[in-house]
Amino acid sequence: GAVVSQHPSWVICKSGTSVKIECRSLDFQATTMFWYRQFPKQSLMLMATSNEGSKATYEQGVEKDKFLINHASLTLSTLTVTSAHPEDSSFYICSARVPAGLAGLGEQFFGPGTRLTVL
Amino acid sequence: AQSVTQLGSHVSVSEGALVLLRCNYSSSVPPYLFWYVQYPNQGLQLLLKYTTGATLVKGINGFEAEFKKSETSFHLTKPSAHMSDAAEYFCAVNPIRGGTASKLTFGTGTRLQVTL
Repeated sequence: GAVVSQHPSWVICKSGTSVKIECRSLDFQATTMFWYRQFPKQSLMLMATSNEGSKATYEQGVEKDKFLINHASLTLSTLTVTSAHPEDSSFYICSARVPAGLAGLGEQFFGPGTRLTVL
Repeated sequence: AQSVTQLGSHVSVSEGALVLLRCNYSSSVPPYLFWYVQYPNQGLQLLLKYTTGATLVKGINGFEAEFKKSETSFHLTKPSAHMSDAAEYFCAVNPIRGGTASKLTFGTGTRLQVTL
């Protein structure tokens, strides 16, 4: 099946620094990737939709200058949390949409998540 | 707009007992429906999905779900719970059939606890 990886799996940083999280589709090309945020014991909240070669589409209330998304290739999207603060601490999950016809109907496959802790 | 409601944020069953996790959806167009499982500190794994055809869908690990349009429901069941089933379960809906603008909307999740 389609595999999506994330790196790093966890990161601890100081307040004010920037953190980059990578999301890779390992065995397929994903024209669309999604970034989600999950607070403890809560559901996934979609942050943005990332399309290869174009600007990401952010959900309402998500600061695009805070959460920079780059989808430079068909297998890699990155999320950079700029000037991170403790309230940015969360579990960040990416997903990649499989082209319709490969797994059927544009199904999404999820990465294992990245735990960000900002001190 | 679409929404997903999962009744019961926490469900506890005995090992060997029936598992029933409820999911109701609201969508202006016929949806695709999904159930995902999440183990601690991990991403989401697809259990099963409904797109078209047979309304009773079988998934991995012995789970199945039935799409009932008249009830706008997609409840997840498993005849006999196993300790390894303890996890968080999310129901999700994709209301635009595979289009480029399609996005998943998740329910709030149900934590399944399995006791001896």
